[in-house]
Amino acid sequence: DADVTQTPRNRITKTGKRIMLECSQTKGHDRMYWYRQDPGLGLRLIYYSFDVKDINKGEISDGYSVSRQAQAKFSLSLESAIPNQTALYFCATSDLAGNEQFFGPGTRLTVL
Amino acid sequence: AQSVTQPDIHITVSEGASLELRCNYSYGATPYLFWYVQSPGQGLQLLLKYFSGDTLVQGIKGFEAEFKRSQSSFNLRKPSVHWSDAAEYFCAALTGNQFYFGTGTSLTVIP
Repeated sequence: DADVTQTPRNRITKTGKRIMLECSQTKGHDRMYWYRQDPGLGLRLIYYSFDVKDINKGEISDGYSVSRQAQAKFSLSLESAIPNQTALYFCATSDLAGNEQFFGPGTRLTVL
Repeated sequence: AQSVTQPDIHITVSEGASLELRCNYSYGATPYLFWYVQSPGQGLQLLLKYFSGDTLVQGIKGFEAEFKRSQSSFNLRKPSVHWSDAAEYFCAALTGNQFYFGTGTSLTVIP
């Protein structure tokens, strides 16, 4: 079984809809991250969490929110999706030392 | 501004040829440095990392990278490319508890 899983893997939605992307990990890591990937822009950090009670904004947090329900679960929400949020979204984890990240397979989100 | 730069958006090499992918970083102190590979439809997989010590680091799949402090570079190399190496490659830096990624280099391998 994969160490970092993301659901759904693909999602098509309409402008204005609320969307939640979920991430679960079995690595026992405290640190979790959400990135978006756009062609030509690489990966950009949306939010990160160093433990269940810790949430931090990343480079591009506007229009997004997150919830760290448990050590193993970190969800990303788009309260009112817009077309420029169409992207590939990745969840990642790292241990306390934070010296390496482990990525999920990604969620491809299309907002029409 | 802190940044990771990959100057080559796309590179094409012949199978069996050598490969070098460039990465430059711009930080006050030497960050931890990484190379990741992303195959089509997949997440990112770590190829190698540099924290300190020997400036030439070996990774998986026959890749290596050399850290050069004087050039603020961490270039990825492979002596002989295989068709299965076709993918997107990302350089990343860890500083201040955050990872920063370059924009990626897409590698095409021709027979």
